[in-house]
Amino acid sequence: DGGITQSPKYLFRKEGQNVTLSCEQNLNHDAMYWYRQDPGQGLRLIYYSQIVNDFQKGDIAEGYSVSREKKESFPLTVTSAQKNPTAFYLCASSSQRGYEQYFGPGTRLTVT
Amino acid sequence: GNSVTQMEGPVTLSEEAFLTINCTYTATGYPSLFWYVQYPGEGLQLLLKATKADDKGSNKGFEATYRKETTSFHLEKGSVQVSDSAVYFCALSDLGNDYKLSFGAGTTVTVRA
Repeated sequence: DGGITQSPKYLFRKEGQNVTLSCEQNLNHDAMYWYRQDPGQGLRLIYYSQIVNDFQKGDIAEGYSVSREKKESFPLTVTSAQKNPTAFYLCASSSQRGYEQYFGPGTRLTVT
Repeated sequence: GNSVTQMEGPVTLSEEAFLTINCTYTATGYPSLFWYVQYPGEGLQLLLKATKADDKGSNKGFEATYRKETTSFHLEKGSVQVSDSAVYFCALSDLGNDYKLSFGAGTTVTVRA
């Protein structure tokens, strides 16, 4: 089955630690995205990538980093510089920019 | 810049009731419009879309019409079921914002049996 996988579903970390969230897609999509969702709010774009080895900052990139070394993978690192990292993180992809985006199941990160 | 305004929730309905969720938008260009649905603890699923004025998107009994004159894309369903309980997000993308999706805040819908 084609789709987007995110792992793990739940992640717990201590404050001051970096943590990397995984996102893999087998849809052969060019574009990939990372969003953050906080309770009762819409989604906010962290980073996006339209082709391999290239990515752009979204609206809330501070404290996050990404890489896009392979078409199917777009990992997100939440660094210790992110002031409020506890949130639900969603990865998405689209065949090309401007086309509809398909979402993974999300990773809930809790930092204490 | 682009923005999406959705009807505030939560919305609570009885089974078989009519559902409307209002969505209006502001965009610099000619956006594509989307409705996504999120079930508890899950990611978002694309519910329907419309890419130009007067297009009607439909799926699973839900419908929405792209109204350029009123900059709206209201979601409707004639007879809801308990399984329609979810959070619904209106979103747009257009060339003027590098095709990034702009989301509304979401509307929580609860359907009672």
